[in-house]
Amino acid sequence: GAVVSQHPSWVICKSGTSVKIECRSLDFQATTMFWYRQFPKQSLMLMATSNEGSKATYEQGVEKDKFLINHASLTLSTLTVTSAHPEDSSFYICSAREAGNNEQFFGPGTRLTVL
Amino acid sequence: GDSVTQMEGPVTLSEEAFLTINCTYTATGYPSLFWYVQYPGEGLQLLLKATKADDKGSNKGFEATYRKETTSFHLEKGSVQVSDSAVYFCALTLYNFNKFYFGSGTKLNVKP
Repeated sequence: GAVVSQHPSWVICKSGTSVKIECRSLDFQATTMFWYRQFPKQSLMLMATSNEGSKATYEQGVEKDKFLINHASLTLSTLTVTSAHPEDSSFYICSAREAGNNEQFFGPGTRLTVL
Repeated sequence: GDSVTQMEGPVTLSEEAFLTINCTYTATGYPSLFWYVQYPGEGLQLLLKATKADDKGSNKGFEATYRKETTSFHLEKGSVQVSDSAVYFCALTLYNFNKFYFGSGTKLNVKP
């Protein structure tokens, strides 16, 4: 099946710094990628949807200047958490979908801890 | 609004026991329903799905039936194995399959 990878799998950073998380589709071209956030014992919440070559569409309540999403190629999307604060600590999961296919393929997630 | 509610875990069972994980939903339209499984250290994997009322999704011995009258999509398996230990997520999507609404996940522990 289709494989989606994320890097890094976990990251610890200091408050005020920026962190970049990569999401790659390894064996298919992802025309659309999605970024989710998961708090402990809670469901995944969609943060934004990005189509290759276009600006991301953010869900209500998600700060687009804080969570920068770039989807510059059909196999790579990045999420940059800018000026991170402890409340940004969470588990971030991406998913990817290729054109003509409704199924989303999920990455393994990245755990971010901001000190 | 649209949402999914599933039973809290963890659920602990002995091998070969019968499994039920309850899932109910609220949707403004006609959703498609899914069960995803997440094994430790891995991403979510689609386990099964149903796109219309009365459809039954099945895979690897798991099955779930889309019940519109009770707005439910309960996951069942007749005989669980240790290898089934994972976190299970119920989810729905509407129309364009862009936005998924997930339940909070249910952790299943199967003991030998």
